Formats: sequence, C-alpha cells, structure tokens
Amino acid sequence: DTEVTQTPKHLVMGMTNKKSLKCEQHMGHRAMYWYKQKAKKPPELMFVYSYEKLSINESVPSRFSPECPNSSLLNLHLHALQPEDSALYLCASSHRAVNTGELFFGEGSRLTVL
Amino acid sequence: GENVEQHPSTLSVQEGDSAVIKCTYSDSASNYFPWYKQELGKRPQLIIDIRSNVGEKKDQRIAVTLNKTAKHFSLHITETQPEDSAVYFCAASPKDTGGGADGLTFGKGTHLIIQP
Repeated sequence: DTEVTQTPKHLVMGMTNKKSLKCEQHMGHRAMYWYKQKAKKPPELMFVYSYEKLSINESVPSRFSPECPNSSLLNLHLHALQPEDSALYLCASSHRAVNTGELFFGEGSRLTVL
Repeated sequence: GENVEQHPSTLSVQEGDSAVIKCTYSDSASNYFPWYKQELGKRPQLIIDIRSNVGEKKDQRIAVTLNKTAKHFSLHITETQPEDSAVYFCAASPKDTGGGADGLTFGKGTHLIIQP
C-alpha cells in the first residue's frame, strides 16, 4: 500500500463552522505533513509531525490546528476560517525525515470557505 | 530558512525537443533536491531526486544536475512528449539533524507546455 488517503476530497464550509480534514497512511512512515496549495502556486508547508514531535510553520494562523492520534494519522481541525483559506490541502508522508526519501502526497482535500 | 528560486515560470517547447528548468537555493545546509510533476487537478508526484553527494542523476529521458558550489540544480527532459505537459516544482530540504523534519521548500513552479 503506497497510498496516503485523505478525506473528504471536497469540503464547503461557512466561516463559523468547525470541520476536520483527515489523513491516513499505512506505509509505516514516521513523518507526516500538511501542505496548503493555492491555484498556480507551490505547496506551502503548514505542519510537520516527525520523531513524535509536531513542528508548526509560524505563519499558519491558529484557526488551523493539527492533531496526531497515532503515527499513521494526521488530522487538521478547521475553525472560524476565512474565504482566503480556500485552497487544496495536501497531506504527505515520508519514511522518516523528508530528506531520507520520497515524499508521498495524498490526492488532496479541496476546501471552499464561503 | 531556505529560499528556492525557479526559472522559467512558463516554458513552451516543440514535441521532441529538450526542456531545461533551473533552480537555485540559498541554504548551504540543504542536501536533498527532488523534482515533482503536478498535472492539472492532481497531486504532485516525484519524478527524480538528487542528493548533495552526487553531481548528476539520470532516469530514461529525465536527468538532474547539481552544482553545490553555485547552489543550483537543473531538470533536463529530452525527447519531450505531450504527456510531459504539466507544472514542475523543484524543492530543497536541509540535512536531517534528528530534531524533526523541516519539510520541503518548493520553487514557484514551471508550467511546461509541449507543442505538437
């Protein structure tokens, strides 16, 4: 199984809603990531979970909060989002740290904030 | 932190010709340089990567070169085909110090268009 599975594939939410994006991998990878990608832009790193430690990109607003229930799951909780948060959210995993090998991306969750 | 510059932003070549995309990086501690291809509406997928102890790597029609001194690396695609049309991202990553991964820093991307 070389898949990173993300759910849901599409999400529409209002600015007062609370929702979650889920990401799962069964490759035994020890590092997982959330990236945000706007149209025609590169992926931007939001969070990294590696070596049982969560690292946060300081530019990410607190309305995004990650949760790692176990080493194969990395969820992203969304609360009080803004329309500019509409984007493709990509989850990824790697064997250990990203520079030890390939970064596997999920298909993404396309988020629209109304 | 790392800064990756990528050029050109758009590249149009005739089918069968070669395409070259160039990237520079700022952090001399970076030692892993992958290239990703992203087709419209799909996820990025790794096509080739290179580590700092290697100067060149080739996989069929795709090759990557790395110049550590100048801090730049390039993607070369020969005998281009219509299915090569996509956005290509270069990326860089620092050495894993054991304290947790910083993740990849991506270039802005190159939209490669293969003209029939």
